[in-house]
Amino acid sequence: AQKITQTQPGMFVQEKEAVTLDCTYDTSDPSYGLFWYKQPSSGEMIFLIYQGSYDQQNATEGRYSLNFQKARKSANLVISASQLGDSAMYFCAFSPGGGSRLTFGEGTQLTVNP
Amino acid sequence: DAGVIQSPRHEVTEMGQEVTLRCKPISGHNSLFWYRQTMMRGLELLIYFNNNVPIDDSGMPEDRFSAKMPNASFSTLKIQPSEPRDSAVYFCASSLLAGSNEQYFGPGTRLTVT
Repeated sequence: AQKITQTQPGMFVQEKEAVTLDCTYDTSDPSYGLFWYKQPSSGEMIFLIYQGSYDQQNATEGRYSLNFQKARKSANLVISASQLGDSAMYFCAFSPGGGSRLTFGEGTQLTVNP
Repeated sequence: DAGVIQSPRHEVTEMGQEVTLRCKPISGHNSLFWYRQTMMRGLELLIYFNNNVPIDDSGMPEDRFSAKMPNASFSTLKIQPSEPRDSAVYFCASSLLAGSNEQYFGPGTRLTVT
């Protein structure tokens, strides 16, 4: 069974600085997908970014980028130029190849300080 | 574009009562997922459907829980009888079977069973 680990229960960052949220996974599947979601205090789950296991380049979406290190089985989220509105819970998730269930990590609560 | 629609947004009921949660996926999406989020257990997949067919219901806690998807635009999650430990936020999500399969979540239903 796949396992997703987020070792940082909470992170703090100053506005306009970059922050890295850690995520490691454990799988023997050769094909899989990694996702990051944001959950603000209002409760909705917002899709941020996706990385496929066969993608050659790290995924980027605006201020979000994914530092994918396949050999280390890590998929860290990098948020550049943090904004106050980035304060939220961030979840890393894993999906086996072919598209199906997501297995979520425990989440990291990010606080952006002014 | 309309996202995933869930109703009700909040539900308060007494132990023993039947609860029905509803979900309308994004038009054209052919996979639908039901998740439950609690502080203790985080985000858990309960069941998912591909093309209206239940694929994996191993996450359904017990026989009190049932889910149906009678057509491509509607799904229900029913709890009968409800218990206080069922109190949680229930999310519905939908995705396309093709591509990266990122899942788009509805706003959730906050269920409180007293």
